[in-house]
Amino acid sequence: QQQVKQSPQSLIVQKGGISIINCAYENTAFDYFPWYQQFPGKGPALLIAIRPDVSEKKEGRFTISFNKSAKQFSLHIMDSQPGDSATYFCAAGFMDTGRRALTFGSGTRLQVQP
Amino acid sequence: DAGITQSPRHKVTETGTPVTLRCHQTENHRYMYWYRQDPGHGLRLIHYSYGVKDTDKGEVSDGYSVSRSKTEDFLLTLESATSSQTSVYFCATMAGGDTQYFGPGTRLTVL
Repeated sequence: QQQVKQSPQSLIVQKGGISIINCAYENTAFDYFPWYQQFPGKGPALLIAIRPDVSEKKEGRFTISFNKSAKQFSLHIMDSQPGDSATYFCAAGFMDTGRRALTFGSGTRLQVQP
Repeated sequence: DAGITQSPRHKVTETGTPVTLRCHQTENHRYMYWYRQDPGHGLRLIHYSYGVKDTDKGEVSDGYSVSRSKTEDFLLTLESATSSQTSVYFCATMAGGDTQYFGPGTRLTVL
């Protein structure tokens, strides 16, 4: 049972371009939607996160867009840089109640070409 | 890295042998998690703990058990390892907020 579906599986973007990764979720009770970044040989690290009461959150070049009615959220990376090349995971979880655990998407491998 | 260490970092074992992976944290975080990472599946939750001696199952708990006798240590045991348990295992912790911090991972190969 895959509660969080992520696309695309891989993405190649030119330096300076916009990278867009999409996720869709099924459980409307999720109350927390983070994006994690993972470099080879390392553990994932939190990049940016959003709660369902807002439609957009921006931190530097990274923006989350959230569409509650469509049960979708996306990560936009503006002015993509070679250093952004990594695997990105979306996730959804219950932080206000219950298990406080995350369900992750399958990941997107981003390659930013110089 | 929130003071998380995992041991061992790499292990090769044979089918049918027991294996224990250790996660140690120094930040006194209440919540601890074990995930496995496999190509095409992202990270999947195996077990988690919400306090000393308080644990619960995740989505892929079959074949795994956990124990947490101290705040800082969370052990994952494969009672009888199988080839399907070949994976990279990540420990994560969380304090009272909502950010999970991940350890460096353990690469386990079951032959």
